[in-house]
Amino acid sequence: DAKTTQPNSMESNEEEPVHLPCNHSTISGTDYIHWYRQLPSQGPEYVIHGLTSNVNNRMASLAIAEDRKSSTLILHRATLRDAAVYYCILARSSNTGKLIFGQGTTLQVKP
Amino acid sequence: GAVVSQHPSWVICKSGTSVKIECRSLDFQATTMFWYRQFPKQSLMLMATSNEGSKATYEQGVEKDKFLINHASLTLSTLTVTSAHPEDSSFYICSARISGQVTGELFFGEGSRLTVL
Repeated sequence: DAKTTQPNSMESNEEEPVHLPCNHSTISGTDYIHWYRQLPSQGPEYVIHGLTSNVNNRMASLAIAEDRKSSTLILHRATLRDAAVYYCILARSSNTGKLIFGQGTTLQVKP
Repeated sequence: GAVVSQHPSWVICKSGTSVKIECRSLDFQATTMFWYRQFPKQSLMLMATSNEGSKATYEQGVEKDKFLINHASLTLSTLTVTSAHPEDSSFYICSARISGQVTGELFFGEGSRLTVL
């Protein structure tokens, strides 16, 4: 499975945008880019996913580099409830769709 | 949105006993479910892929006789930790995807915290 690399931690101020980077230089053409987040003592929560084009939903935006070797999760206005561990994961369509989690980025949001 | 429910949320058992954790997809059918475990301050580790009506596929290093998985219906998968020991204490999380959607959103349960005394 292709690997992703994320910073261990990031800080943000409340109500400011947050850009969470993810590198996936060995991504293959059939790999989807998924983002999930996890609050303490809870199961992960889906945030967004995409293949090639940038994606937007009510939670966030996903910007995918043209060569697909990196992507950025954008939270447009961070709130205290966005403090969580964010995981960037590649899901191969030919591989039952299982998700292998890396270490993720711990996002702290300061009031 | 689709909901995955786990039961129990937490369980405490004595060493040597077996514990069963249920994972249900409440409003959708799931041909495939996934079981993860998570130790404190660590990431999720995939244990196995549960397939409805067939044997589970275990990840390397996961003992299939220790962690029994049954996926008897399209809405229920169970994980049984057999002869549990303190080192099996962990947060167990299941997830499921809507049948036929191999690359779509994965829905996660709330997790089940197992403590083995």
